[in-house]
Amino acid sequence: QQQVKQSPQSLIVQKGGISIINCAYENTAFDYFPWYQQFPGKGPALLIAIRPDVSEKKEGRFTISFNKSAKQFSLHIMDSQPGDSATYFCAASLPPGGTSYGKLTFGQGTILTVHP
Amino acid sequence: DTAVSQTPKYLVTQMGNDKSIKCEQNLGHDTMYWYKQDSKKFLKIMFSYNNKELIINETVPNRFSPKSPDKAHLNLHINSLELGDSAVYFCASSRAYNEQFFGPGTRLTVL
Repeated sequence: QQQVKQSPQSLIVQKGGISIINCAYENTAFDYFPWYQQFPGKGPALLIAIRPDVSEKKEGRFTISFNKSAKQFSLHIMDSQPGDSATYFCAASLPPGGTSYGKLTFGQGTILTVHP
Repeated sequence: DTAVSQTPKYLVTQMGNDKSIKCEQNLGHDTMYWYKQDSKKFLKIMFSYNNKELIINETVPNRFSPKSPDKAHLNLHINSLELGDSAVYFCASSRAYNEQFFGPGTRLTVL
């Protein structure tokens, strides 16, 4: 019930196209859903995050869509650029309190390649 | 102006050895974490400390022992290293309980 399932495993997009990565979760108690971007040899970096009280959040070319009833959320990258080529992770965490404080449960990751 | 730093960046050692990885954050955060990223890039939390107190201790062999001398530091000591310990280990920190900032990682290779 603590799992977060991410798809696809890899994605190839042409420059200027839209990249879409999907995640699904089971635990309805999750209340925070971030996306992390990781370049080779670097640590994950927070890209954008959403809480379940909103259905969409946009920051520049990056948008999270959240469907609470379906227990799914997705990352959309508009006008994808070669510099966006990286591994993307979705994650989820429970509210503070107890032994789960701050624990992020990650999806399996998506390797995005944007061709020029 | 590094936010979360780890040393060393690479660690190559023999099976059975004991090694430590150090982590420091200068963000003024009160919570620090250790994550393990395996060869398939899967990230899994190992430990978290809040104000030097152990909060999360996932199912990790007791050969792994975190130590937090103060709020800005969280070190990871590993005894009797095994081949399966080879991975990239990430330290992270946060103020708010969710917005975690990750270090650059330490790639551990056990021969």
